[in-house]
Amino acid sequence: AAGVIQSPRHLIKEKRETATLKCYPIPRHDTVYWYQQGPGQDPQFLISFYEKMQSDKGSIPDRFSAQQFSDYHSELNMSSLELGDSALYFCASSNRQGVSYEQYFGPGTRLTVT
Amino acid sequence: AQKVTQAQTEISVVEKEDVTLDCVYETRDTTYYLFWYKQPPSGELVFLIRRNSFDEQNEISGRYSWNFQKSTSSFNFTITASQVVDSAVYFCALSEAPAGANSKLTFGKGITLSVRP
Repeated sequence: AAGVIQSPRHLIKEKRETATLKCYPIPRHDTVYWYQQGPGQDPQFLISFYEKMQSDKGSIPDRFSAQQFSDYHSELNMSSLELGDSALYFCASSNRQGVSYEQYFGPGTRLTVT
Repeated sequence: AQKVTQAQTEISVVEKEDVTLDCVYETRDTTYYLFWYKQPPSGELVFLIRRNSFDEQNEISGRYSWNFQKSTSSFNFTITASQVVDSAVYFCALSEAPAGANSKLTFGKGITLSVRP
């Protein structure tokens, strides 16, 4: 079965640079969620999209932005990177019409800021 | 606001021991979903179980079992006859499900389980 795809899997950036993380949800899933997991921490919700519209927002810094495109893939754009942005970024997708609220997670993108 | 508490931070057992991971949650909603995820050292989040607030039946899946008690707001996870491959961080999570909306997951801090041979 198809799973959530995230790219790249690993990314190394320097402070003040920008990064773009991509997420390709499971086919026919209409909702995408982004989570940030710092070292030794639990995943924290950043933002979600349903049918290409932002549906909820968590503790996402103003330096970050995200969108969902017409093909339902999503991108998380991160600017002016800081050391504290080093984390594992997960994308998850779900099918709202399924009313199961079950989120399927991608393998994550490990971002290292040096 | 929703909250998940996993009071245990680290548990170490010897292979074949049974181990229970505790999870206590807080929510004002009457409809909600509870989850357990496993995060092995490789980092991915592996879905283990989802339980909705209307279903208090316990569930068993192989060596795994879950005990959901609304009266104590707990959703505990037991691994029977633990194996080295069970070594991972285990997260309990809560999703409130207001009608017609998507809902983010709120995770507990996670429990690091180490199973020694």
